[in-house]
Amino acid sequence: GEDVEQSLFLSVREGDSSVINCTYTDSSSTYLYWYKQEPGAGLQLLTYIFSNMDMKQDQRLTVLLNKKDKHLSLRIADTQTGDSAIYFCAESIGYQLIWGAGTKLIIKP
Amino acid sequence: DVKVTQSSRYLVKRTGEKVFLECVQDMDHENMFWYRQDPGLGLRLIYFSYDVKMKEKGDIPEGYSVSREKKERFSLILESASTNQTSMYLCASRQSGANEQFFGPGTRLTVL
Repeated sequence: GEDVEQSLFLSVREGDSSVINCTYTDSSSTYLYWYKQEPGAGLQLLTYIFSNMDMKQDQRLTVLLNKKDKHLSLRIADTQTGDSAIYFCAESIGYQLIWGAGTKLIIKP
Repeated sequence: DVKVTQSSRYLVKRTGEKVFLECVQDMDHENMFWYRQDPGLGLRLIYFSYDVKMKEKGDIPEGYSVSREKKERFSLILESASTNQTSMYLCASRQSGANEQFFGPGTRLTVL
C-alpha cells in the first residue's frame, strides 16, 4: 500500500538551514505537500509541489522533488525559533492525502 | 479566511459513553475529513465526506461513524468510547478539486 516516511526529529541551530526529508511509495501522486503544525494548533499548508516539477522556492522555503527516487525535501533557510513545529509530508492519491508521521523541528539557540 | 471550527478543544469521557465531535466550516467546501493524530503515526483518515449525506470510510473507521446532514457540518460519533480512542482528532475541509485542506484546531479526547 501507500506509505510516506519521515524522520521523527530534527535538531538545528538558530540561523542554520533545516532540511526535512520524506520518502513516498506511490509514483502516481499528482501533488506532494508540506504542512506545518505549531504547538496546540491544527495543520496549516506550508507549500506544495506538482509532481512534474523538481524544485519550488518560496522565500525561505525550498522544496526539492526527486521523482525517480520518490524523495521530497523541505529546506528552511535561516531557521528561526518561530519555525519550531512539526512538519508533515503528504502525497495526494485521488482526493485523499497519505501522511507521513511528522518531523519535529527543534531549534537550538 | 477559511475557518474550520471544532466544538471542543479538550474532552474527557468515560469508557462506554457515546461521544459527538462536531466540525463546522464556513467556506461552502464540498469535502470534509476526520483524522486522528497519534505520536509517531501521523494523521490517519477515519472518514471523509465528499458532499452532503455522502460518506466514505478511511483507513481506520472501526468504532466510529459520521454524519453530514448539512454542507457546513461534519460530525464524528464514537458509539461506545474505548480507551484506545484517546487521541487528538482533527477535522479538515477542502473545496472539491482544490489542493489545500484547511484544518480545525483539533479536539484532544481522553477516554478514561
